[in-house]
Amino acid sequence: DVKVTQSSRYLVKRTGEKVFLECVQDMDHENMFWYRQDPGLGLRLIYFSYDVKMKEKGDIPEGYSVSREKKERFSLILESASTNQTSMYLCASSLRAGLANVLTFGAGSRLTVL
Amino acid sequence: AQSVTQLGSHVSVSEGALVLLRCNYSSSVPPYLFWYVQYPNQGLQLLLKYTTGATLVKGINGFEAEFKKSETSFHLTKPSAHMSDAAEYFCAVSANQGGKLIFGQGTELSVKP
Repeated sequence: DVKVTQSSRYLVKRTGEKVFLECVQDMDHENMFWYRQDPGLGLRLIYFSYDVKMKEKGDIPEGYSVSREKKERFSLILESASTNQTSMYLCASSLRAGLANVLTFGAGSRLTVL
Repeated sequence: AQSVTQLGSHVSVSEGALVLLRCNYSSSVPPYLFWYVQYPNQGLQLLLKYTTGATLVKGINGFEAEFKKSETSFHLTKPSAHMSDAAEYFCAVSANQGGKLIFGQGTELSVKP
């Protein structure tokens, strides 16, 4: 089975701190995604990547950046954390681009910004 | 542009009762549709998907969904609820060739003994 591993399940940070959320997948998937999940809003796409060193903005990229230096790793960066970025962050990957591709999700990283 | 609306943020059923979770979509092109489930403290996992062909799709754990183009719906059903079905369920539509998914707001299913 494909495994998507998010390095931190729970993080507590202070306003203004730089935050790194790491995601690693082990099955050579081309596509990787970062979503945030908030009650009543479902999942919203922050950034995604189709290839190494490639990134594209999703629906809510403001306040975030990403890095994909290796195919298996996709990092989400909060340059200066704010309280409105308190959320659950979900990383996902899929084999390749295509309408029918299934996303495999990690367990999530719950971030609290104080 | 694609969008998904799930009707009802919370649904409660008794064990053994029919489960019906509603999903309506909007898409300018033929949609690919998905249902995912999220158990407490876990990521999302695929229940089922509709791509082309048969409009009634069967998934894991006894769930199924029917694609109705005329109603722009993709409702999820299960004939008999089990306690282990308690989870949050998300409907999603595939946005473009890039494989991005647009998710609905989610429906939390509670199952009463």
